[in-house]
Amino acid sequence: DTAVSQTPKYLVTQMGNDKSIKCEQNLGHDTMYWYKQDSKKFLKIMFSYNNKELIINETVPNRFSPKSPDKAHLNLHINSLELGDSAVYFCASSPPRTTQETQYFGPGTRLLVL
Amino acid sequence: EDQVTQSPEALRLQEGESSSLNCSYTVSGLRGLFWYRQDPGKGPEFLFTLYSAGEEKEKERLKATLTKKESFLHITAPKPEDSATYLCAVQAWAGNNRKLIWGLGTSLAVNP
Repeated sequence: DTAVSQTPKYLVTQMGNDKSIKCEQNLGHDTMYWYKQDSKKFLKIMFSYNNKELIINETVPNRFSPKSPDKAHLNLHINSLELGDSAVYFCASSPPRTTQETQYFGPGTRLLVL
Repeated sequence: EDQVTQSPEALRLQEGESSSLNCSYTVSGLRGLFWYRQDPGKGPEFLFTLYSAGEEKEKERLKATLTKKESFLHITAPKPEDSATYLCAVQAWAGNNRKLIWGLGTSLAVNP
């Protein structure tokens, strides 16, 4: 059983297009995250949601808009894609904040903007 | 500023040759240090969490230790299947919430 899943796995698109990435977790976790991993393998948090509420919003261009329809799903919509958006995007989830906050990651979405 | 530095960047070992990876950190009020393993083309996989200086945790050939300024991931008699990138992260405050600050990782290659 896949704990944290993302779709699509690969995404190749042209500059200026709009695209979405979807994430689902079946772990019963309350908190979900979006990370960007660049070509140097640096993981940087973008957003975090707790029970559908946005709790962390790092310095991310407003072309990136997360949306959490329920606590098991977190989607990421990107408008007007730029070359610099090419990266691997990881979704993660973690248990309620009163317990150990280990984050569990999805397999990643590899985005290439041409 | 909260920061995590991992060394070395890359490490090549022969099978059975033990070594250690280092993670040094500066964070105001450590609330947890995490070790993850990342295989090529996959998401990070959780290994350990350490919360206080002096704490140690073990899993198969891996042992993680924590001091007030750094953590070590000791690999004893590694096998080729231990080849991966090992990532360290510390939990820091983001307003009233917490976030993970990540190092760049150590890429480990174990030759048979």
